[in-house]
This record gives sequence, C-alpha cells and structure tokens, in this order.
Amino acid sequence: EAGVTQSPTHLIKTRGQQATLRCSPISGHTSVYWYQQALGLGLQFLLWYDEGEERNRGNFPPRFSGRQFPNYSSELNVNALELEDSALYLCASSFESRVGGYTFGSGTRLTVV
Amino acid sequence: EDQVTQSPEALRLQEGESSSLNCSYTVSGLRGLFWYRQDPGKGPEFLFTLYSAGEEKEKERLKATLTKKESFLHITAPKPEDSATYLCAVQAGNYGQNFVFGPGTRLSVLP
Repeated sequence: EAGVTQSPTHLIKTRGQQATLRCSPISGHTSVYWYQQALGLGLQFLLWYDEGEERNRGNFPPRFSGRQFPNYSSELNVNALELEDSALYLCASSFESRVGGYTFGSGTRLTVV
Repeated sequence: EDQVTQSPEALRLQEGESSSLNCSYTVSGLRGLFWYRQDPGKGPEFLFTLYSAGEEKEKERLKATLTKKESFLHITAPKPEDSATYLCAVQAGNYGQNFVFGPGTRLSVLP
C-alpha cells in the first residue's frame, strides 16, 4: 500500500512569492491534515480537509490556504511568503470517522530567501 | 485550553541504559493518545495509540503506558538506532480529528 506522498520534497522561494505544496493521501483515506514544523519547534496544526471541505484551521493567517480535490488529494498554498514561513510542511491522512493515528508523509521543506 | 507537555526536552543515554519519557496532558474529552517517532527531516512515524487509563502497548524495546493525566514511553536497553525525537499527541473530543502535539523529546543513544 502506497503511503502519503508529498511533492515537491524541497522548495526554495523568494520572499513575497507564492508556494504550492501537494499531498496524496493513502488510498481510501478521506481526511487530509496539514502541519507546519519550523526548525526546533513542535508540529503546529494548519488545516484539516475532509470530503472536499475545510473542517478546521489552526491559528495561521489567511495567506495560508488550501483545497481538497475530488480524489482526496490536497494542495496547500502560501501567499506573500515571509522568511518565517521556512519550515517542514507535513501532510497526514486518516479515515474521518475513525479514532486513530495519522499516517504522515515525508514532508516538503520550504525555504524562503 | 488543551495542552501537551513532554519531558525531558532532550535525553542522552548509553546503549543499554533504560529510561522513560514523559507526556503530560490537559484535555477535555480525551479520545486517544498517540506516540510518534520522528527522524531528522522526515515525517513522524506512528508508534502507539492508547485510549484509556491503565492501557499499555509494547513494540520491541518500547512500551507505552497511560494514566488519566500522563503517558510514559519506556525504552528498555536502547540501541543507537533508537535515537530520534519522540512526539506525543492527543486527540480530544472537541477537536474532531485534529491532534495537539507536544514539543517532543530528543533522544540520543550513544554506542
């Protein structure tokens, strides 16, 4: 079974630009979650999508947005990039109705210069 | 506000030296507590789920336990390959599927 896949692995952007990160969940998983992990910090919840709808978002500004497609894959967009947006962005997936652990992807390392 | 803390922040052990990591939580309506292992630059790898006080889970040299206020991850006779950051997360009733993660314990096992 293929795991959660994220692309690209690394992304370098200039301050003020936009970044687009992609995630494909495990087959059959309907929920996708995005987390930010800045260097030396814990995982901070960004967004939760399920069945194409945004179900919840963390304490991040509106320039962090995303969507979930009919095939349950997801995209995270970060507009007007700032230096402090440099971080590892992790995507995870699960069955919405099941209480259980997420399965994480390997992440996208975003560097803003 | 739901909170998860972990201690110690960092731990250095000699190979074979057993120890425990702590995860303390304050949540309303705990649905589950989870332990993950994270290697540098990688996504967290799922280890255990604990649902109720008194529950224990084991996997190789790791054993996780849960009380009403905290969880312990016991590492018995660790090896250098156990070196990683260990993350604790809770899934609370009012968070839906969202998890609240602790800051992690960075474990180094020296040969």
